[in-house]
Amino acid sequence: SQTIHQWPATLVQPVGSPLSLECTVEGTSNPNLYWYRQAAGRGLQLLFYSVGIGQISSEVPQNLSASRPQDRQFILSSKKLLLSDSGFYLCAWSVAGITDTQYFGPGTRLTVL
Amino acid sequence: RKEVEQDPGPFNVPEGATVAFNCTYSNSASQSFFWYRQDCRKEPKLLMSVYSSGNEDGRFTAQLNRASQYISLLIRDSKLSDSATYLCVVIGNNNAGNMLTFGGGTRLMVKP
Repeated sequence: SQTIHQWPATLVQPVGSPLSLECTVEGTSNPNLYWYRQAAGRGLQLLFYSVGIGQISSEVPQNLSASRPQDRQFILSSKKLLLSDSGFYLCAWSVAGITDTQYFGPGTRLTVL
Repeated sequence: RKEVEQDPGPFNVPEGATVAFNCTYSNSASQSFFWYRQDCRKEPKLLMSVYSSGNEDGRFTAQLNRASQYISLLIRDSKLSDSATYLCVVIGNNNAGNMLTFGGGTRLMVKP
């Protein structure tokens, strides 16, 4: 069966510090991978998605970036965090070629102080 | 106007009550619709898809009204365990092609 992992589960970082969140998927090959952010009391916002190694599409311009160094690994990064980067970051996967059924990881709760 | 809009609630209902949520969407070309459930501080999980003919899964009924561009979720005989945030999701066409667009969610609290 497929599983999706994210770490860390929670993170508190100062403004201006770097960020690296990791997501890995097991039990499937060549998945579509997604990064979402959910701000407090708001809906999920798609940040990045990837259909293959090294292929990243950005939905929202901001100070975040994403990379996919391996087939089942998706990384979200920032060089300098802003207060507005606080939120619940969710990684998701779907079967290649299908976007409508996505499975979410447990999420990382980021607080920028 | 937001692409997908929901009443944030909270909806406070007693156990055993019937409760209904609506969700409106702005893109008339949207093709697929879903309800996800999100427990407090947890990830969203797919609850059910919404078909044009409507569909039922136990105590849950989902319906689509294309003419008025809204979908609904009806929960009968509410249980304490139904307390959660219900997210309306629409397949929207954006830069990424057909991607999920989430509403802000409706919070349900079922009380004893």
